[in-house]
Amino acid sequence: DGGITQSPKYLFRKEGQNVTLSCEQNLNHDAMYWYRQDPGQGLRLIYYSQIVNDFQKGDIAEGYSVSREKKESFPLTVTSAQKNPTAFYLCATRGGLETQYFGPGTRLLVL
Amino acid sequence: AQSVTQPDIHITVSEGASLELRCNYSYGATPYLFWYVQSPGQGLQLLLKYFSGDTLVQGIKGFEAEFKRSQSSFNLRKPSVHWSDAAEYFCAVEMFPGGGADGLTFGKGTHLIIQP
Repeated sequence: DGGITQSPKYLFRKEGQNVTLSCEQNLNHDAMYWYRQDPGQGLRLIYYSQIVNDFQKGDIAEGYSVSREKKESFPLTVTSAQKNPTAFYLCATRGGLETQYFGPGTRLLVL
Repeated sequence: AQSVTQPDIHITVSEGASLELRCNYSYGATPYLFWYVQSPGQGLQLLLKYFSGDTLVQGIKGFEAEFKRSQSSFNLRKPSVHWSDAAEYFCAVEMFPGGGADGLTFGKGTHLIIQP
């Protein structure tokens, strides 16, 4: 079964806690992206990675961190520095000049 | 700075009626253009895209969009909507797909409601 998987579907964060969202793909795509979606705001780019061991900040990277140790995986950590983390997080991939394809998303809620 | 505007936050259409969702962009040059659809709590699905060539592009689920350079617009249309078309629709643009630094820039979305 090919595609992009994101886990967990729902994630709860306590005050001051770091949490990590998983994004895995078996499409053999080089580029991977993380977006944040807030109601009425559309999607905003957090981080992206075009190749393994390299990543770049997007428009709203503060309070987030990523790693890209494997082509298949691009985890996003929401750190305690992110003061308003409640949102829907979407991972996307792209192979070459193709369009971006999106995973099913993770909803992060603060306890 | 590049921007995408979807002027309509909500649109209500009767089932079987035609639909047009508006999208305008602000860029120095013609970007690559996309429409995505999102059902509640789900990821985004690509409906159609415009890179170059024929300015009227056909997509999935009976949707089409027309690129108008003079108006910086890329409006989405469907001749007859179905109740299953109720969803959030996003217009997106990108300057350098596959090699660009910035990823997609999205509009804020239009929520489509279908009346029976």
